[in-house]
Amino acid sequence: DTGVSQDPRHKITKRGQNVTFRCDPISEHNRLYWYRQTLGQGPEFLTYFQNEAQLEKSRLLSDRFSAERPKGSFSTLEIQRTEQGDSAMYLCASSPGQPSEKLFFGSGTQLSVL
Amino acid sequence: AQSVTQLDSQVPVFEEAPVELRCNYSSSVSVYLFWYVQYPNQGLQLLLKYLSGSTLVESINGFEAEFNKSQTSFHLRKPSVHISDTAEYFCAVSEGGGSYIPTFGRGTSLIVHP
Repeated sequence: DTGVSQDPRHKITKRGQNVTFRCDPISEHNRLYWYRQTLGQGPEFLTYFQNEAQLEKSRLLSDRFSAERPKGSFSTLEIQRTEQGDSAMYLCASSPGQPSEKLFFGSGTQLSVL
Repeated sequence: AQSVTQLDSQVPVFEEAPVELRCNYSSSVSVYLFWYVQYPNQGLQLLLKYLSGSTLVESINGFEAEFNKSQTSFHLRKPSVHISDTAEYFCAVSEGGGSYIPTFGRGTSLIVHP
């Protein structure tokens, strides 16, 4: 169990640029979640996958955001035409698949949009 | 729709004093309840959870939480805190009958003074 890993840890970009984040979940975990966290707030749900299927997306997830999980393994979150309001910590979590199971979180990707 | 309220954004306390971190939730169906902790410069990790059965649940490091259905609360308590308990604590709820996606509160910063 190597844990959930996220890459990069930090990303600084200029407004209008596209960015992509990667998440590698714990290998046998079926469910993968993306959350966003801003200073002084708790994690806000963005989207989640059951294996390779994206089953739910939050209304927070605008058309500029897209997430994929090819082959049910790693996942990517892309933000197109970044805005300053996108600055946040982007968290990935995985779980074995049962609703009662805890989430295992990665350390997150801190995005700063200048 | 489910929601979580953590009324206290910060709770300062002296070492060896008792502490209570409050959490109230809103849901019309059965729920699973969680407390996660985030130590400085680390990812979120599960502290304890309530699924069913006994309404009092405990963690390995002395924290406990009690599920109160009538008051829709899941307050976290510890009879004697240590400096090392200084962290951000997040209450989360996942709602039965749907996708069980956890919703998090805004967090409570526990600051333990010597």
